[in-house]
Amino acid sequence: QVQLQQSGPGLVKPSQTLSLTCAISGDSVSSNSAAWNWIRQSPSRGLEWLGRTYYRSEWYNDYADSVKSRVTFKADTSKNQFSLHLNSVTPEDTAVYYCARDGSYDNRTNAWNWSLDPWGQGTLVTVSS
Amino acid sequence: EMVMTQSPATLSVSPGERATLSCRASQSISSHLAWYQQKPGQAPRLLIYGASTRVTGIPARFSGSGSGTEFTLTISSLQSEDFAVYYCQQYNNWPRTFGQGTRVEIK
Repeated sequence: QVQLQQSGPGLVKPSQTLSLTCAISGDSVSSNSAAWNWIRQSPSRGLEWLGRTYYRSEWYNDYADSVKSRVTFKADTSKNQFSLHLNSVTPEDTAVYYCARDGSYDNRTNAWNWSLDPWGQGTLVTVSS
Repeated sequence: EMVMTQSPATLSVSPGERATLSCRASQSISSHLAWYQQKPGQAPRLLIYGASTRVTGIPARFSGSGSGTEFTLTISSLQSEDFAVYYCQQYNNWPRTFGQGTRVEIK
């Protein structure tokens, strides 16, 4: 059973960098089929997909246009975890941040599942001085 | 960007009754649609993927249907634990996008 455990600060000052980590158990960050996503949720934006990182002989990243100029994803294979770094934050970046996996094989149906499952527990990040 | 529109925003249903939730995509997404359930203070939980495939452990009272641009999540007989917010999400196009959610509340 795959589980994702998030960690990181809940308060970040404006203009600084928001950094969160998602530790994986039951799968590998360098899996050749899975991808590791970041999503955030706020009352004003709803659920917003931020991007993903994945390994296919080398590392790739996909970013949402809304954060592309400010976001970086990193993977740490020694700790089996991945991280989100969002710089130059403003109060608009206040949200609950989630990590999630996509790309799993369903043995019952012999089909690939590219939806988001499982999710981390979520981290409320407030941007405020 | 693919826009996902859910209706209604709020659905008031009595326990034991059927609930029907709709999700519409702005363009065809084939069957690349997922449904999630979210309860207060919790992360979304995947219920259905591929528009109609229930995830292991999800009760049979949850069913999904549709393809192209029109999708439906049906809860055949609402139990107390089903009162929550439900989101659809497309994974046919980039970026991945979600609907704004349907809140299922006790009538």
